[in-house]
Amino acid sequence: AQKVTQAQTEISVVEKEDVTLDCVYETRDTTYYLFWYKQPPSGELVFLIRRNSFDEQNEISGRYSWNFQKSTSSFNFTITASQVVDSAVYFCALSAGTSGSARQLTFGSGTQLTVLP
Amino acid sequence: NAGVTQTPKFQVLKTGQSMTLQCAQDMNHEYMSWYRQDPGMGLRLIHYSVGAGITDQGEVPNGYNVSRSTTEDFPLRLLSAAPSQTSVYFCASSRSGGRNEKLFFGSGTQLSVL
Repeated sequence: AQKVTQAQTEISVVEKEDVTLDCVYETRDTTYYLFWYKQPPSGELVFLIRRNSFDEQNEISGRYSWNFQKSTSSFNFTITASQVVDSAVYFCALSAGTSGSARQLTFGSGTQLTVLP
Repeated sequence: NAGVTQTPKFQVLKTGQSMTLQCAQDMNHEYMSWYRQDPGMGLRLIHYSVGAGITDQGEVPNGYNVSRSTTEDFPLRLLSAAPSQTSVYFCASSRSGGRNEKLFFGSGTQLSVL
């Protein structure tokens, strides 16, 4: 069975601060896929990133960066110089097992990020 | 491109009523699925389909039925609604395979069962 833990239920920062959202996953499969999704107040789910277990380099996209560490089963997400528009619920998710690819996702419980002006 | 379209956006039911949540995608995706989102629990998989005529259960299938007669549509049926089914429901789809495969989500249906 797979499990995703997002221990931070709510985080509040002031605009321009950096913030890191933690994600710890559990799986016995050697091939798996990790995702981050953003859910703004409007409610839709917006895809941010996919990381395959066999791709070990970290990724940066503008103000967003992701740190994938197999040794600690973590896939943390950092927002640099946060903005009010970053306020949202962020979900980490995992896909693994015989289903392969990236379809049946196990989600964490989400982290509510509030960026104050 | 409409992507994944869910209807209705809001619905209120009485206990015991039945209804169907509609989901359609216009991206010719083979895979479609339904999730429910409850406070503090993230999203949980209800049912999924890997193609027309093929469906299977996810983590929380009880109380829900699905069918997949076409590639485009994947309706979710509640045969006898219960208050425990009050939730936000998301439909999702993805193309089969590929290193960059990811789920595309609809905008959600907020369901209240009284």
